[in-house]
Amino acid sequence: AQTVTQSQPEMSVQEAETVTLSCTYDTSESDYYLFWYKQPPSRQMILVIRQEAYKQQNATENRFSVNFQKAAKSFSLKISDSQLGDAAMYFCAYTGANSKLTFGKGITLSVRP
Amino acid sequence: DVKVTQSSRYLVKRTGEKVFLECVQDMDHENMFWYRQDPGLGLRLIYFSYDVKMKEKGDIPEGYSVSREKKERFSLILESASTNQTSMYLCASRRKTARNTGELFFGEGSRLTVL
Repeated sequence: AQTVTQSQPEMSVQEAETVTLSCTYDTSESDYYLFWYKQPPSRQMILVIRQEAYKQQNATENRFSVNFQKAAKSFSLKISDSQLGDAAMYFCAYTGANSKLTFGKGITLSVRP
Repeated sequence: DVKVTQSSRYLVKRTGEKVFLECVQDMDHENMFWYRQDPGLGLRLIYFSYDVKMKEKGDIPEGYSVSREKKERFSLILESASTNQTSMYLCASRRKTARNTGELFFGEGSRLTVL
């Protein structure tokens, strides 16, 4: 079975600085997708970014980018120029051949003004 | 705007009661999911449905059942609520794609307290 591990429960970043959120996963599949979802306080969870395992190029969406290391099974999220609105819980997730999306435990990011 | 609507944001039920959590999506999505979210445990999949009248057990189906009679509606049923089912329940939907790459759209969640 696939597992997703987010080992840091909380992180803090100064506004306008850069922060990296870590995620590792375990799978025997070669074709899969990885995602980062954001859950703002009392609001709906939304997709931040996704990465296809067979693409070597790291995905980027505006201030959000990933560092995908397939051999190491690592998928970290980098947030540049952090804003107060980035404060949220962030979940790393995996999906493979069985269609199910497996989530990590999440990390709470706070942004200091 | 795409929308996933969960019928109740907050519910308080008593042990042994039958509880229905309803979820409706307006995006004509084939796939629908029920997760529960607990502090320190993240999101855990209870059940999912590939399409109408289809359902598959997730990682923690015990104590739950589901119903998908119409494409837009996916119901989670707690046959006899217990205190350990106190949790936040999240519904999500996704368009069916060949490689399961689609974005999940989530509802706002239903916070259930079982006394």
